[in-house]
Amino acid sequence: DAGVTQSPTHLIKTRGQHVTLRCSPISGHKSVSWYQQVLGQGPQFIFQYYEKEERGRGNFPDRFSARQFPNYSSELNVNALLLGDSALYLCASSLGGRIVDYGYTFGSGTRLTVV
Amino acid sequence: TQLLEQSPQFLSIQEGENLTVYCNSSSVFSSLQWYRQEPGEGPVLLVTVVTGGEVKKLKRLTFQFGDARKDSSLHITAAQPGDTGLYLCAGASGSARQLTFGSGTQLTVLP
Repeated sequence: DAGVTQSPTHLIKTRGQHVTLRCSPISGHKSVSWYQQVLGQGPQFIFQYYEKEERGRGNFPDRFSARQFPNYSSELNVNALLLGDSALYLCASSLGGRIVDYGYTFGSGTRLTVV
Repeated sequence: TQLLEQSPQFLSIQEGENLTVYCNSSSVFSSLQWYRQEPGEGPVLLVTVVTGGEVKKLKRLTFQFGDARKDSSLHITAAQPGDTGLYLCAGASGSARQLTFGSGTQLTVLP
């Protein structure tokens, strides 16, 4: 079975541009969460979507948005990119919304570099 | 804001040695997870602990959740080069829909 698939794997953007990152969860998983991992730090929660509805939002500016599609895949959008947005963006899928019940499987991430 | 502090930040040891990594917080978590992450990959779940005082063993790895559910430790016995990686603790609380991660412990096991 395929794991969590993220695309693209690497991306270079210029300050002020917009970026869209994509995630396909494990088949049968209905929840997708997004995390940002800056070099040298642990991942930081951005969003959780379950059954196509936003169920959680971390402390990120409105430049960050996301959505989940009927097939449970998800997109993370970031507008007006800043140098500080350079990071590894991780997608995690799970069967349900509660981590303690279902656990996470992470994708390999998208490495975004803003220049 | 809930914070998880991990120590040490970096650890370099010889093959065969034992080590312990600590994860501490002033907040109570409903569950705590440990992940291992290798370069260019996402974190991989090692274990979830949910009960205060709980101890779980995974081969040479022993995980403990503090009685007050504010802290946890990971002990590795007879470390091997294959144990090299970034070890992350992560706590879930409230609705348990998101994880708060520690900053990680970068472990290097030298042959």
